[in-house]
Amino acid sequence: DAGVTQSPTHLIKTRGQQVTLRCSPKSGHDTVSWYQQALGQGPQFIFQYYEEEERQRGNFPDRFSGHQFPNYSSELNVNALLLGDSALYLCASSLAGTHGYTFGSGTRLTVV
Amino acid sequence: AQRVTQPEKLLSVFKGAPVELKCNYSYSGSPELFWYVQYSRQRLQLLLRHISRESIKGFTADLNKGETSFHLKKPFAQEEDSAMYYCALTDSGGSNYKLTFGKGTLLTVNP
Repeated sequence: DAGVTQSPTHLIKTRGQQVTLRCSPKSGHDTVSWYQQALGQGPQFIFQYYEEEERQRGNFPDRFSGHQFPNYSSELNVNALLLGDSALYLCASSLAGTHGYTFGSGTRLTVV
Repeated sequence: AQRVTQPEKLLSVFKGAPVELKCNYSYSGSPELFWYVQYSRQRLQLLLRHISRESIKGFTADLNKGETSFHLKKPFAQEEDSAMYYCALTDSGGSNYKLTFGKGTLLTVNP
């Protein structure tokens, strides 16, 4: 079992551009959460997807959006990138109703 | 609001010494607390959660609701314990799914 898979591992974008990050959950998991981890900080909750719907959202602007597909995989989209969006983006999957989260290795996004 | 505070950014101990990583939380609901660990070049992984009351790799943590603390302890540190440790909180019920993390404590165990 590969666990949670995220792609790409690294990405460099220019201010104002848009980016899409991808996540495949651990086998058997149906819920995907996204976190942003800035340098020197703990991960911060962006949102969670379950049954292809955004179930809960953290304190992030509408520039951050997501999607969950029928196979439970998920995408995180960020529009109008700012320098401050540079961070490690983590995906965590779980089985609905449990708090057993499995994290991916993350996508390192650099905005220049 | 949920808040997790890890007061020590860095903690350095010698092998065989006891170690305690502090975690305090603020939450008006019914909390569920976790410790996550990230070893060098590895992904974030669950170390333990308070509801399971397990001891993992010799680490234990007790939830103290009176002091709103969930400190992580190990009586005899090993070099392989060197890692970044994050305390995290969520709601034990069914309507709040987010994990709130502290800023982490980097533990270094010296030989």
